[in-house]
Amino acid sequence: EVQLVQSGAEVKKPGESLKISCKGSAYSFSHYWIAWVRQMPGKGLEWMGIIYPGDSDTKYSPSFQGQVTISADKSINTAYLQWSSLKASDTAMYFCARGGYGAKFRYHLDYWGQGTLVTVSS
Amino acid sequence: EIVLTQSPGTLSLSPGERATLSCRASQSVSSSYLGWYQQKPGQAPRLLIYGASSRATGIPDRFSGSGSGTDFTLTISRLEPEDFAVYYCQQYGSSSWTFGQGTRVEIK
Repeated sequence: EVQLVQSGAEVKKPGESLKISCKGSAYSFSHYWIAWVRQMPGKGLEWMGIIYPGDSDTKYSPSFQGQVTISADKSINTAYLQWSSLKASDTAMYFCARGGYGAKFRYHLDYWGQGTLVTVSS
Repeated sequence: EIVLTQSPGTLSLSPGERATLSCRASQSVSSSYLGWYQQKPGQAPRLLIYGASSRATGIPDRFSGSGSGTDFTLTISRLEPEDFAVYYCQQYGSSSWTFGQGTRVEIK
C-alpha cells in the first residue's frame, strides 16, 4: 500500500529554522513528483511547490518562492520542506502528497501524508 | 496565476439530497487538468475526481465531475452522512497550481 508518512508536530520560536519530512513507501519514490500543501488554521489549501526526487527538479508557487526550500533524498525515499527563519505566520498544517510519474508534472495528487502541524510562537 | 472561485461557500442540505458545487477559473484550465478533493475535520484531503470527470480509485459513483475551460462542477447525486465535509477544486494545468477556497457541505 502506498504511504506517505510525515514527521511529527513541531513547536518553534520566531527566527528558528526547521526542516520537516515526508517518507514514501511501497512505490518507486524517485519517479513520482511530491507536492507540499499548506493549510493555515481554519483556512483552505495552498499549493506551495513540487519536487521530482529523481533529479530534484523543483517548482515553487510564486507565493512561497524564496520563503521555503523543498528538497529530496531519493536514497532514503524522503522529501523535505524547510525554513531558515520561521515567522508566526508560518503556523499551519503542512501536507505532502504524491503527484505524477516521470514527465507527468501536470497530474493530480492521489496519495497524501497525514500532515505535520507547525506552531511558531514566542 | 489561475484563480479558482468556488461557490457557494456553504451548502446546507439533508441526507439524500443532491449537491451541486461550482468551480470557476480566471482563465482556461488546459486539458481539463482539474481535480476535486474532499476534506473532513482533522484529516488529510482525499482525491475524488481528476481530469475534471474521472473518479479516483474507490470513489462511489454518486460523485461525478463535469466541465471544461473555465467552468467545472462536482455533483453528489444523493448525499450520504459521510459526505458532509469541505470540498476543494484544484487546477494543475499551469506551471503554478492553485486550489479554490473550498465549499462546505453541511447538514441542514
